[in-house]
Amino acid sequence: QVHLVESGGGLVKPGGSLRLSCAASGFTFHDYYMTWVRQAPGKGLEWVSYITSAGTFTNDADSVKGRFTISRDNARNSLYLQMSSLRAEDTAVYYCARESFSRGTYLLDYWGQGTLVTVSS
Amino acid sequence: QLVLTQSPSASASLGASVKLTCTLSSGHSSYAIAWHQQQPEKGPRFLMRLNSDGSHTKGDGIPDRFSGSSSGSERYLTISSLQSEDEGDYYCQTWGTAIRVFGGGTKLTVL
Repeated sequence: QVHLVESGGGLVKPGGSLRLSCAASGFTFHDYYMTWVRQAPGKGLEWVSYITSAGTFTNDADSVKGRFTISRDNARNSLYLQMSSLRAEDTAVYYCARESFSRGTYLLDYWGQGTLVTVSS
Repeated sequence: QLVLTQSPSASASLGASVKLTCTLSSGHSSYAIAWHQQQPEKGPRFLMRLNSDGSHTKGDGIPDRFSGSSSGSERYLTISSLQSEDEGDYYCQTWGTAIRVFGGGTKLTVL
C-alpha cells in the first residue's frame, strides 16, 4: 500500500537551514505530483509547496517563497524540502502528501505521518 | 481569490448524524474538493473527493458512514452513526492555478 515517511525535522536556530525528506513506496512515484503541507502548533493545515511528476515545475506559498525549495529524486522515490532563512513562524509539523489527478483537479489522497521542525534560539 | 470557508466547530451526539459545510468563494462553485480528517495527535487522512455534482470517491477503508454532497458553492460532509473516533478536525481542500488551498478546518466534538 501507499506509504510516505518524512524525516529530517529537528531544532534549528532562526536564520538556519534544514532539509526534510519524504520516502515514498507502494506506488509509481514518478507518475505523481507531490506536495508539502505544514501545521503550526494548534493551527490548521497550510499548503507549502508542490512539484510536478518529472520535477520540471514547482510552486510555493508566498509565506515561504524564496526561502524554501522543493525537489524530488524519482530514482530514489524521494521528495525533499530544503528550508533556509528559517523563522520562528516556520515552526510546524511538516507533512508530505501525494497528489491524485482526476477530472481536471489535483487533490491530496495520501499523507505521511509528519516531521516536527522547531525554530528557536 | 480562491478561498474555502468552514465553520470553526460542530458537535453532535454519539450515534447521531452531523453535516459539515465547506463553502467555495465566489466564481469557484464548479470546483471539486477533498475532505480530510485529522484525529487528535495524528496526521491527516484523505476521506473523499467531492465533485460539484455531488458525486464522490472515497479513500481506502473509509466507512460507508461518511458521505458527501454538493449544492451550488457548498460542499458537505455527512457523518452518520457518529462514533467516538470521529472526533477531530475536518479540512476541505481544493486546487487553483499552481496553488493548493485548505479551509480553516472544523473541530468536531462527539458528545
